[in-house]
Amino acid sequence: KQEVTQIPAALSVPEGENLVLNCSFTDSAIYNLQWFRQDPGKGLTSLLLIQSSQREQTSGRLNASLDKSSGRSTLYIAASQPGDSATYLCAVSQETSGSRLTFGEGTQLTVNP
Amino acid sequence: KAGVTQTPRYLIKTRGQQVTLSCSPISGHRSVSWYQQTPGQGLQFLFEYFSETQRNKGNFPGRFSGRQFSNSRSEMNVSTLELGDSALYLCASVRGGSTDTQYFGPGTRLTVL
Repeated sequence: KQEVTQIPAALSVPEGENLVLNCSFTDSAIYNLQWFRQDPGKGLTSLLLIQSSQREQTSGRLNASLDKSSGRSTLYIAASQPGDSATYLCAVSQETSGSRLTFGEGTQLTVNP
Repeated sequence: KAGVTQTPRYLIKTRGQQVTLSCSPISGHRSVSWYQQTPGQGLQFLFEYFSETQRNKGNFPGRFSGRQFSNSRSEMNVSTLELGDSALYLCASVRGGSTDTQYFGPGTRLTVL
């Protein structure tokens, strides 16, 4: 059974700092890994999708890497801003489970002005 | 293009009642998945529908059921509501392939009294 873990559970940083969020998964037979952002009481916003054959994806100040063999992914946020404050979730889809996503518990990020 | 829409956004029900939630995917998307999000359990997969057929099912009791219509719109039904069913119910829309980005709706907040 796939398990996804995110570390740290919560993170508070001053504005402008670069930061790294971590995600690990136990079963490396994944199709892809997706990073999402969730604001309080809202739905999920897709940030980046990394296919299992890829090593990284970039979008603006965000960079996500994937090491499938070791079961790890990182989300790097450059020059953090207060508007980045949210919960960040990673999720993996399995080769045997169609579009089903298994989520981590999330990292709650607070960027202080 | 329009995103994923979910109706209603908020619901208050009492124990024993039943409820039906609706999800309209992005135009052209054929797969709809449903997730339950609670503070204690995080995001858990309920089921996935593709071309009107259930393609995947999570570990939820039979009180939770769903269906998909020919226009890809999906409904989720919960019968005999319990207090523990209080949650944010999210649906995700995918074009069809397991390697595609998943797009989430804003969710339906269900409160069971």
